[in-house]
Amino acid sequence: DAKTTQPNSMESNEEEPVHLPCNHSTISGTDYIHWYRQLPSQGPEYVIHGLTSNVNNRMASLAIAEDRKSSTLILHRATLRDAAVYYCILSEGSSNTGKLIFGQGTTLQVKP
Amino acid sequence: EAQVTQNPRYLITVTGKKLTVTCSQNMNHEYMSWYRQDPGLGLRQIYYSMNVEVTDKGDVPEGYKVSRKEKRNFPLILESPSPNQTSLYFCASSLQGSYMNTEAFFGQGTRLTVV
Repeated sequence: DAKTTQPNSMESNEEEPVHLPCNHSTISGTDYIHWYRQLPSQGPEYVIHGLTSNVNNRMASLAIAEDRKSSTLILHRATLRDAAVYYCILSEGSSNTGKLIFGQGTTLQVKP
Repeated sequence: EAQVTQNPRYLITVTGKKLTVTCSQNMNHEYMSWYRQDPGLGLRQIYYSMNVEVTDKGDVPEGYKVSRKEKRNFPLILESPSPNQTSLYFCASSLQGSYMNTEAFFGQGTRLTVV
């Protein structure tokens, strides 16, 4: 299983952009990059995913390096409700187990 | 509203007393799975199901059973719970088993304590 590496924790000020990095140097050509987040006392929640090109949705943007060995989740204006654990996950395109391999993630603190 | 519903949310039980945690999704998803979350170990997959009557083991299946008789339901069964099964459990569903280009929806979780 391809692995990801994320910082254990990050801090941000409210209403400022946040860039959450993820390294995945062993990514294969068919692996999608997914981001989920888990708010306190809740189940994981889908944020965004992509393969090669940068992606935008209503929650965030995903910037993928040209060599795909790293990616960055961008929250454009952090709010207090964005305080959560953010997981960067690779999904194996050739696998049908549907397994998401959650690492330790990055705990994001947002200061008012 | 698209959702995955787990019941109960909290459960305290005694060793050896059979229990079932229910999971239901309203999105007509083919794929469902169960995870457990433990401090320092993250989320680990217990069992998954590709469709009705099709189930398979995940990474930590020992002590658990599942069934998929209907598309919307995927109960997790603990025939003889033990204290090491004390954990936070999540059910998830997605349109397909391969996460290539789809998102997974998770339930709110079931906190199980076995004494």
